[in-house]
Amino acid sequence: DTGVSQNPRHKITKRGQNVTFRCDPISEHNRLYWYRQTLGQGPEFLTYFQNEAQLEKSRLLSDRFSAERPKGSFSTLEIQRTEQGDSAMYLCASSSRGASSYGYTFGSGTRLTVV
Amino acid sequence: SQQGEEDPQALSIQEGENATMNCSYKTSINNLQWYRQNSGRGLVHLILIRSNEREKHSGRLRVTLDTSKKSSSLLITASRAADTASYFCATVVHDMRFGAGTRLTVKP
Repeated sequence: DTGVSQNPRHKITKRGQNVTFRCDPISEHNRLYWYRQTLGQGPEFLTYFQNEAQLEKSRLLSDRFSAERPKGSFSTLEIQRTEQGDSAMYLCASSSRGASSYGYTFGSGTRLTVV
Repeated sequence: SQQGEEDPQALSIQEGENATMNCSYKTSINNLQWYRQNSGRGLVHLILIRSNEREKHSGRLRVTLDTSKKSSSLLITASRAADTASYFCATVVHDMRFGAGTRLTVKP
């Protein structure tokens, strides 16, 4: 296990289409986080899982966004009816402890372009 | 919403010089972390400093934390061209929130 894996690396979609991204965390990490990053900005928190439970969701996560982590391993982030404003880098991170004790390991991200 | 604010937004120096980046934040924190991001890639964890610590070192990195001023600084000594990247501070209360970052360019 070499780290956090995100697929696809790049996704171009037409406005109105649905997209799904996948994140495979480090296998022994029970915590998984999704962030969104736009050009020139820092990552913005979207949501957080501990095992399969989704414990926190940002208000940035509108009803068009849904995230799952069905078996407490990999996670998916789906965006329905994509809009041009959804164009961003979507980053996944995992950790074995909370952020109060430990840093996060980030994947390389999925870059979404909505045309 | 983002917690921290880095200063400066961009920094350009010559190889061998030291680079100092600052971070200010608004609320009480459990710890503060610094991350590095190369263009178009994910973030790499550099260092974590707890709220009861004032200074921490890791290789060429030195981080300070002043909780009374709600500020932190990251010093990179003897910079190298390979240090060119964006650097983010992240404050931790219950989860982690990032600032907008400092874009560091180290010229060979």
